[in-house]
Amino acid sequence: AQRVTQPEKLLSVFKGAPVELKCNYSYSGSPELFWYVQYSRQRLQLLLRHISRESIKGFTADLNKGETSFHLKKPFAQEEDSAMYYCALSSGAGKSTFGDGTTLTVKP
Amino acid sequence: KAGVTQTPRYLIKTRGQQVTLSCSPISGHRSVSWYQQTPGQGLQFLFEYFSETQRNKGNFPGRFSGRQFSNSRSEMNVSTLELGDSALYLCASSLAAGSVYGYTFGSGTRLTVV
Repeated sequence: AQRVTQPEKLLSVFKGAPVELKCNYSYSGSPELFWYVQYSRQRLQLLLRHISRESIKGFTADLNKGETSFHLKKPFAQEEDSAMYYCALSSGAGKSTFGDGTTLTVKP
Repeated sequence: KAGVTQTPRYLIKTRGQQVTLSCSPISGHRSVSWYQQTPGQGLQFLFEYFSETQRNKGNFPGRFSGRQFSNSRSEMNVSTLELGDSALYLCASSLAAGSVYGYTFGSGTRLTVV
């Protein structure tokens, strides 16, 4: 069975501070991992994929297979980063498992 | 290009009725997946369709069904509605099967069962 855990429901940081949203997963095979973001009154959208090794809007995420983690990081948070963030795992069999999400608030 | 389009945006139905939701994926995307989102359960996978075939199904009762047409548009149907079926139903399209490239989501259909 595959499982995604986001231990923090709420996370609050000040503008300019570093931010890390945690994601841990459980899966016996080689997972594909993603971060999705939902800004207020907008649809859920893909933020980044671990296979792309890209940085989107200053966010990066590194897959740590030893710790089975895929934490999302940004060195300097901006107010426009305030949103709901979901970590998701795909086994490739057509099903993605999502975490419960973390609401990030960046205070001015 | 146009995004994922879901219709209708809102629905109010009575217990026992049935409902059909529609999803048009991004042009060129042949995979369509459906998710149910509720405050208590989060995002739960319903099913995935690729090239008109259901590839995978989540842990939902048989009252939940779906199909995909040759133009990749998809519909999902819920029969004999229950109060617990009230949720946001999200459609997600992907370039290939298996969601390995990630999804593009629609805005969802908000279903309320009274």
